[in-house]
This record gives sequence, structure tokens and C-alpha cells, in this order.
Amino acid sequence: IVLTQHPLSLPVTPGEPASVSCRSSQSLLNAYDGHTYVDWYLQRPGQSPQLLIYTLSYRASGVPDRFSGSGSGTDFTLTISRVEAEDVGVYYCLQRIEFPYTFGQGTRLDIK
Amino acid sequence: QVQLVQSGSELKKPGASVKVSCKASGYTFTSYAMNWVRQAPGQGLEWMGWINSDTGNPTYAQAFTGRFVFSVDTSVSTAYLQIFSLKAEDTAVYYCARDTYYDSNGRSDFWGQGTLVTVSS
Repeated sequence: IVLTQHPLSLPVTPGEPASVSCRSSQSLLNAYDGHTYVDWYLQRPGQSPQLLIYTLSYRASGVPDRFSGSGSGTDFTLTISRVEAEDVGVYYCLQRIEFPYTFGQGTRLDIK
Repeated sequence: QVQLVQSGSELKKPGASVKVSCKASGYTFTSYAMNWVRQAPGQGLEWMGWINSDTGNPTYAQAFTGRFVFSVDTSVSTAYLQIFSLKAEDTAVYYCARDTYYDSNGRSDFWGQGTLVTVSS
């Protein structure tokens, strides 16, 4: 399964909203349990990735509520309601409905 | 608190082998699978596979079959990644990441700090 993210680069003014798109080559909806298996990770500069959103729209522990995930089927969006300086880094979507799990190519968010 | 501490950077010659360790603490090691992820210099993340930390049963993505071996030592709560017959293209940061389930469901909630493996003559 191929995940395609856009944009690849996202300059944002602090306090403004931002969104990252992830499109899958196949549906990530599991018809048996009704869940959509797409997650979002943030890799800050020089750090390991951290889980932000799992199973489409659930925020991971400790993740601020300005982060949200949405979408359905093959099209997904990570939204940051008000960007802060600490949100700088590369955002990746991940599909885990089918092995091998695959990441999108990443979207780099910078502060204007 | 959950921690995954990986071994330090390695510089190896082509054809050599390397073993990366990932020591877990702060949770019951055998209750959660361990995932492995690769990141080549300046590139994105690549899913390598996972290992059941209790049974030691590994599962590899197709690109990582043959020269890559996952293993665990439950007595010291440590997961390992071995790479044999190293090639220049194996140069990357390798991450271990704890899964949220006994058998991997792909969701990684805690990550190691990464181990840089450099392959150069």
C-alpha cells in the first residue's frame, strides 16, 4: 500500500491552522471491525518519531488537543488548529491495515 | 516510566555484520511486541518488521528478509537487530519501537533514541 502525502513542505505562521493530507492506494477501512488503520507521527528535528494520532482520529497520550485526525477510506487529514513553535518537524502518516506497514514520504512543517 | 535505550553508533566495513541492542525498562517486556524502523540519511521512515517479545517469533517486511535478523533475550529485557553482509545502502538510523499489543498491530507508542549504523570502507 502506497501512501502519498501533500504538501511535502508546509510553512506556517504561529497561531494559524495547518493541515497535512495523506492519500492511500487502497482503503484503510477494516470492514470487520469498522476501524480505519491510519496513524500520524511527528519527528521533531534530531529526535525519534512520536505517535500523535492512531486509528484515524484517536489522540495518543499527552498529545495536545490542537491536533486532530480525520478522513475516510483512502483520504486522510492531520489538522493542527493553531500551530506552535514546538510543532516544527516532519509529519508522517502510517497505514497498518496490511503488512508490510508503510509510511508516507513525510511533510516538513516550518515556522514562517 | 517506559524507556527503550539503544546501543551506540557503529561504523562497519562492507561485508561485516552488526548487532544493535534495544534495552527496555518500565514495563513487562514480554507483554508487548517490538517493531523495527529504518531511516536512511535525510530520508523518511521505513517499516522493517517486528518480533513477538515473548515467543521470539519475528516477521519481516519483504525488503528485509535474508540479511536482517530480529531476536530477543527476555532475561535482560532486550531486543536485538542483526544485519549481516553489510552494504553501503544499509547506512541508516535504526529505531526500535514498542508496539501496543502482544502481537504487532503496528502502533508504536514508545521509541528508542535510534542507532546510527554507517557502512563505509
